[in-house]
Amino acid sequence: DVKVTQSSRYLVKRTGEKVFLECVQDMDHENMFWYRQDPGLGLRLIYFSYDVKMKEKGDIPEGYSVSREKKERFSLILESASTNQTSMYLCASSLRQGSTEAFFGQGTRLTVV
Amino acid sequence: EDKVVQSPLSLVVHEGDTVTLNCSYEVTNFRSLLWYKQEKKAPTFLFMLTSSGIEKKSGRLSSILDKKELFSILNITATQTGDSAVYLCAARFSGNTPLVFGKGTRLSVIA
Repeated sequence: DVKVTQSSRYLVKRTGEKVFLECVQDMDHENMFWYRQDPGLGLRLIYFSYDVKMKEKGDIPEGYSVSREKKERFSLILESASTNQTSMYLCASSLRQGSTEAFFGQGTRLTVV
Repeated sequence: EDKVVQSPLSLVVHEGDTVTLNCSYEVTNFRSLLWYKQEKKAPTFLFMLTSSGIEKKSGRLSSILDKKELFSILNITATQTGDSAVYLCAARFSGNTPLVFGKGTRLSVIA
């Protein structure tokens, strides 16, 4: 059974803290993505990666960075958390080639206070 | 700019009703359109459509793509309370590019 696992389901952090959200997939997928989901705004792409050590900015990269040191792991970093980064964060992965679906993790609901 | 627009944004129906969810897209070099169902957790994959006019079906759910008019519909017949969810539509354009998502349709099925 394919699996994308996010390290935390719920997280509460203080403003200014550095926050790490971890995502691991066991499907040997080349592509990995980080989205945030907010009411009325849908899923918005933050960053994505096509390969180890590669990263591309999505639609809303400001205030975030990512790390992909191993193929199976894609980390999202909030350098200095702010209240407007309170959101649901979803990680996804997919194969590189062909039209294939993306598989999602269960999501991390982050609250910044 | 590539975009995907879903309508309606929310919908309330009674059990047993049939619903149609809409998704239109403006995507350069369109390659495929995907539907996902999201309950309180991860979106789960429903359908992927690449060819016009070919219906994909799974139980009470079905979907079809019109590449000329740039839209897709998702039909759910004989709705049940378990169909209550957010339904997400996403489009992929050519190359190894991320999915572009619509804002979703929140469907509530009441007994």
